[in-house]
Amino acid sequence: AQKVTQAQTEISVVEKEDVTLDCVYETRDTTYYLFWYKQPPSGELVFLIRRNSFDEQNEISGRYSWNFQKSTSSFNFTITASQVVDSAVYFCALSEARETSGSRLTFGEGTQLTVNP
Amino acid sequence: NAGVMQNPRHLVRRRGQEARLRCSPMKGHSHVYWYRQLPEEGLKFMVYLQKENIIDESGMPKERFSAEFPKEGPSILRIQQVVRGDSAAYFCASSPMGARAGANVLTFGAGSRLTVL
Repeated sequence: AQKVTQAQTEISVVEKEDVTLDCVYETRDTTYYLFWYKQPPSGELVFLIRRNSFDEQNEISGRYSWNFQKSTSSFNFTITASQVVDSAVYFCALSEARETSGSRLTFGEGTQLTVNP
Repeated sequence: NAGVMQNPRHLVRRRGQEARLRCSPMKGHSHVYWYRQLPEEGLKFMVYLQKENIIDESGMPKERFSAEFPKEGPSILRIQQVVRGDSAAYFCASSPMGARAGANVLTFGAGSRLTVL
């Protein structure tokens, strides 16, 4: 069975600091997809990124970057020069490529990030 | 382009009453997923539906919970005889019928927050 672990329950930083959110996953499949979602205080879930298991290239989008390493089963998320608006709960999630489960996601427990001014 | 619409946003029920949560997927999306988020916890998968079919209900409690996605109209998550432990945020997500299982990005609604008194 698949599992996603986000060991950091809460992180607090001061604005402009860089912060990395860790994500470790377990799956027996060779084809799978990894995601990050953001849940701001308003409560909705916002999609940030999707990676497939065959693409280990790191990705950068503005202040956000993601480091995917199959060797350690990790998919970490870094925010550079954090801002107060980045304060949210961030979820890492895994989807396996099975017809019977569609794009069902297994979520980690989430990391509450607080960016203080 | 309306996103995933969930209603009601907030619902208060007394123990023993029934709760009905509705979800209208994004236009063009034929797959619906329901998740439950208990306070201070991550999202747990409940059920995956396509039009008129339940594909995966492995996350649904065995009793009191049911879900449907009729040919016409929204998907409904129904909780009978609610108990205090059912108090949670219930999120609906939808995806298109993509070419590859597991790859589709789920678009989430804003959630329905159920409080059981």
